[in-house]
Amino acid sequence: DQQVKQNSPSLSVQEGRISILNCDYTNSMFDYFLWYKKYPAEGPTFLISISSIKDKNEDGRFTVFLNKSAKHLSLHIVPSQPGDSAVYFCAGGEGSNYKLTFGKGTLLTVNP
Amino acid sequence: DAEITQSPRHKITETGRQVTLACHQTWNHNNMFWYRQDLGHGLRLIHYSYGVQDTNKGEVSDGYSVSRSNTEDLPLTLESAASSQTSVYFCASSESKWGSGQYFGPGTRLTVT
Repeated sequence: DQQVKQNSPSLSVQEGRISILNCDYTNSMFDYFLWYKKYPAEGPTFLISISSIKDKNEDGRFTVFLNKSAKHLSLHIVPSQPGDSAVYFCAGGEGSNYKLTFGKGTLLTVNP
Repeated sequence: DAEITQSPRHKITETGRQVTLACHQTWNHNNMFWYRQDLGHGLRLIHYSYGVQDTNKGEVSDGYSVSRSNTEDLPLTLESAASSQTSVYFCASSESKWGSGQYFGPGTRLTVT
């Protein structure tokens, strides 16, 4: 049972345009969500998070939107830059058990 | 600066051998996690620990074990390596705080021949 789903394995956008990465979840006990970015041959790095009581969180070029009723979240990157090319993982966390459940990831390619 | 390190970064071993992957963090975090990353599967949790002497199984724990004798280290042991355990392994740590993200190590690429 896949609790966190990233249905798009890859996404390609032009530099300067908006990148939108999507994530769906099934576990209604998740009360916070995180996005991680991963370059080849490196470990994932934390990008941005959102609590389930909010519907939006913004940090510079990165904004995460949460639609609890649809069990859907998205990461918007504006404007996209070639350095944003990486695999992006969505993850859900539940209460204070500190574990995260990750999606399979989406490979973003930003073309100059 | 605090960090989390993994060793070795690359390892080739033979089927049936015992292998131990090291993970060391200087964040002084209580929580530590081991994941494997495989194409088409993302990051899957193998084992985790909430503190010294505490260990718990994750979703793909068969064939793996961990022990936690101090705060800084959580070694992952493959008791008898199998080709299905060829993967990239990531260690992570986090604070015991609601909503806390995890800090990941650089990974170990393990090949079982």
